[in-house]
Amino acid sequence: AQSVTQPDIHITVSEGASLELRCNYSYGATPYLFWYVQSPGQGLQLLLKYFSGDTLVQGIKGFEAEFKRSQSSFNLRKPSVHWSDAAEYFCAVGAREYGNKLVFGAGTILRVKS
Amino acid sequence: EADIYQTPRYLVIGTGKKITLECSQTMGHDKMYWYQQDPGMELHLIHYSYGVNSTEKGDLSSESTVSRIRTEHFPLTLESARPSHTSQYLCASSSSGSSETQYFGPGTRLLVL
Repeated sequence: AQSVTQPDIHITVSEGASLELRCNYSYGATPYLFWYVQSPGQGLQLLLKYFSGDTLVQGIKGFEAEFKRSQSSFNLRKPSVHWSDAAEYFCAVGAREYGNKLVFGAGTILRVKS
Repeated sequence: EADIYQTPRYLVIGTGKKITLECSQTMGHDKMYWYQQDPGMELHLIHYSYGVNSTEKGDLSSESTVSRIRTEHFPLTLESARPSHTSQYLCASSSSGSSETQYFGPGTRLLVL
């Protein structure tokens, strides 16, 4: 069965510090990978996506993620966190073989302290 | 970024009432989805549609029903709301092709008393 694991339920970082959010997946097909962000009471906003090609992808708001097939990971990074980055982050995986339906992780809540 | 709208944004309703959650998108996307999200939990797919007059149940069993009579519109209906239906419902859409990115609406937060 397809699954996505985000090991950290909560992460707290200081403003200006670097950030890495972890995502691991188990999938029986070549995956498409996404990171979304959700602010309280809002829908999900796409941060970045990986379909093929360069395994380091750049997204909006200064985020980037690296696809590591050998580790089945797609970790999200940002070199310097801003207070406005506080939100919940979701990793999602899809594949053409499964009709491109997405499987989501449980999310990581990011808190930013000043 | 796709324009996708959901109404109402918040709904408080009594047990046994019939409700319809609206979802519309203006991007001409052929695929649309409904997800259910409980606090602190992942999103679960409850319904999806790959085109007009095509609907399928998702991975999470739901007592709700959906219809897709027009490309841009994908309403979700609960015939008799119960407290167990209290949740956030998120609608999304995508376009067929090599880059099937799903774009999400703002969600409807439902509370059934």
